[in-house]
Amino acid sequence: AQSVTQPDIHITVSEGASLELRCNYSYGATPYLFWYVQSPGQGLQLLLKYFSGDTLVQGIKGFEAEFKRSQSSFNLRKPSVHWSDAAEYFCAVANNAGNMLTFGGGTRLMVKP
Amino acid sequence: GAGVSQSPRYKVAKRGQDVALRCDPISGHVSLFWYQQALGQGPEFLTYFQNEAQLDKSGLPSDRFFAERPEGSVSTLKIQRTQQEDSAVYLCASRLDGAGPYNEQFFGPGTRLTVL
Repeated sequence: AQSVTQPDIHITVSEGASLELRCNYSYGATPYLFWYVQSPGQGLQLLLKYFSGDTLVQGIKGFEAEFKRSQSSFNLRKPSVHWSDAAEYFCAVANNAGNMLTFGGGTRLMVKP
Repeated sequence: GAGVSQSPRYKVAKRGQDVALRCDPISGHVSLFWYQQALGQGPEFLTYFQNEAQLDKSGLPSDRFFAERPEGSVSTLKIQRTQQEDSAVYLCASRLDGAGPYNEQFFGPGTRLTVL
């Protein structure tokens, strides 16, 4: 069965500092990987996705993620965090048919001024 | 254009009551998904429709949960005889195509259900 682990429940960074959110997945085949962001009262918004090809993928809002098969990881990064990035971030993996997303437990990001 | 909408946004039910949660997907979207998000956790898959056909209901936690999409558009998630453990945010998502992970699932804002 597929699964996703986000080891960090909470992370606090200073505005302007760099950010890395960790994600580890378990999936038997080539994974389809996603990062979503959820702000209070808002739906989940897709930041970026990986299916194949270049292991470094660029997303919206200045985010990027790197797929590392050897480490079963898909970590999310941003070089300089803005106060508006404070939210909850979810990593997810899709099954081959794409009919089910399995989410990690989420990482809550807080940004200090 | 309009995104996925859900109603009501908040629902308080007494234990044992039946509730119905509505999802209006993006017009023309073939696939529709329901997820349950407990407090402090990630969303968990409940069920999936392709048009009006419910192709996967493996995530429904009990036979008290029932979902339908009779005309291939609006969907309703019904929970009978609600229990406190049903308290969660119920998220609906829709996707343009009928199969495959390549297209994005667009999520609605969710319905927060509180069972007293």
